Amino acid sequence: GNSVTQMEGPVTLSEEAFLTINCTYTATGYPSLFWYVQYPGEGLQLLLKATKADDKGSNKGFEATYRKETTSFHLEKGSVQVSDSAVYFCALSDQNAGGTSYGKLTFGQGTILTVHP
Amino acid sequence: NAGVTQTPKFRVLKTGQSMTLLCAQDMNHEYMYWYRQDPGMGLRLIHYSVGEGTTAKGEVPDGYNVSRLKKQNFLLGLESAAPSQTSVYFCASSLLRVRYTFGSGTRLTVV
Repeated sequence: GNSVTQMEGPVTLSEEAFLTINCTYTATGYPSLFWYVQYPGEGLQLLLKATKADDKGSNKGFEATYRKETTSFHLEKGSVQVSDSAVYFCALSDQNAGGTSYGKLTFGQGTILTVHP
Repeated sequence: NAGVTQTPKFRVLKTGQSMTLLCAQDMNHEYMYWYRQDPGMGLRLIHYSVGEGTTAKGEVPDGYNVSRLKKQNFLLGLESAAPSQTSVYFCASSLLRVRYTFGSGTRLTVV
């Protein structure tokens, strides 16, 4: 079955530091890949997505590139802010070999990011 | 505001009690999902629906039932709550299976 593995956290950084959160996946077919962010006490918000190999998703200074050859979708940001403190989830949506999908999302375990001033 | 609304937001149940969680969306999405979030485990799919009148099991369906009698509503039921069902429950709906909207969650504690 499909699976997503994220780097273990928590991750603690100083403001303006460089951020990388690793994500690798196992899937059949051609999944779409996502990064979601969850702020304390809230639901999940889409941060960025990529729907095919070599696509780069970007939003609010965050970037991730869909690497099919390494089955990875690492999240990066050049300069983090205190307001980026949250839990980050990598996820993929299912696709079977025929290209149809029920859109079921498989999530990684989440990475807690804390940014200090 | 358009989106996914979950009720209730918080609930404490005693072991063996039953309850229903309601998810409502006003975006005319066909696909709806129920997930549970537990520490260190991410979100896991309980049940999902690909349209009105249809439901299917996800990764962790035991102890839960669902119904989708109307397109805009997806109900999650616990017939006999157990402490292992203490979790945060999220509902989501999907347009074209690449754009998902999540509710704000229901925090359930079973004592």
